[in-house]
Amino acid sequence: AQSVTQLGSHVSVSEGALVLLRCNYSSSVPPYLFWYVQYPNQGLQLLLKYTSAATLVKGINGFEAEFKKSETSFHLTKPSAHMSDAAEYFCAVSSGSGNTPLVFGKGTRLSVIA
Amino acid sequence: EPEVTQTPSHQVTQMGQEVILRCVPISNHLYFYWYRQILGQKVEFLVSFYNNEISEKSEIFDDQFSVERPDGSNFTLKIRSTKLEDSAMYFCASGRRRDQETQYFGPGTRLLVL
Repeated sequence: AQSVTQLGSHVSVSEGALVLLRCNYSSSVPPYLFWYVQYPNQGLQLLLKYTSAATLVKGINGFEAEFKKSETSFHLTKPSAHMSDAAEYFCAVSSGSGNTPLVFGKGTRLSVIA
Repeated sequence: EPEVTQTPSHQVTQMGQEVILRCVPISNHLYFYWYRQILGQKVEFLVSFYNNEISEKSEIFDDQFSVERPDGSNFTLKIRSTKLEDSAMYFCASGRRRDQETQYFGPGTRLLVL
């Protein structure tokens, strides 16, 4: 079975500061990993995904994540937070075979302080 | 850019009533999904659908739930007799290919059962 743990249900950073949102996964097969973002009253939008190619994945809006197999982690980072980054962020894992469902973490709410 | 749409955005119903949640997936997608998120909890997989039949379903997806693709564009989730614990945000998603392609999510329908 697969699972995702997101450490910290709420993270607050100052504008311009580094954003680090943590995600650890458990998977018995090589995982496919995803970060989604949800802005208020909107759906889930894909930020980036890891599908067994490069371990450092770059996504939209300046976000990136690094797959570390030894640490079973896929943490999301952004060098400099912007007010518009305030949202809910979800890490998800799948086995990558066929149309398998995504298994989500509980989400981390990011607040950006001016 | 094509997107998944869902109607209604909000629905309030009485316990025991039937509800139908509607989704229009992206037009060239072949794989369809329903997920739900109870307030404060994880996004959970309900069911996946391909080639006019259910591919996979979770334990949550019991006999009270059904899905249908009644025409070439809509994908519906029916709850036959709603319970209080069905109150949640329901997300529809669609994907294009069999191998692990991105799942594109709709904005969700917030269902409140009284």
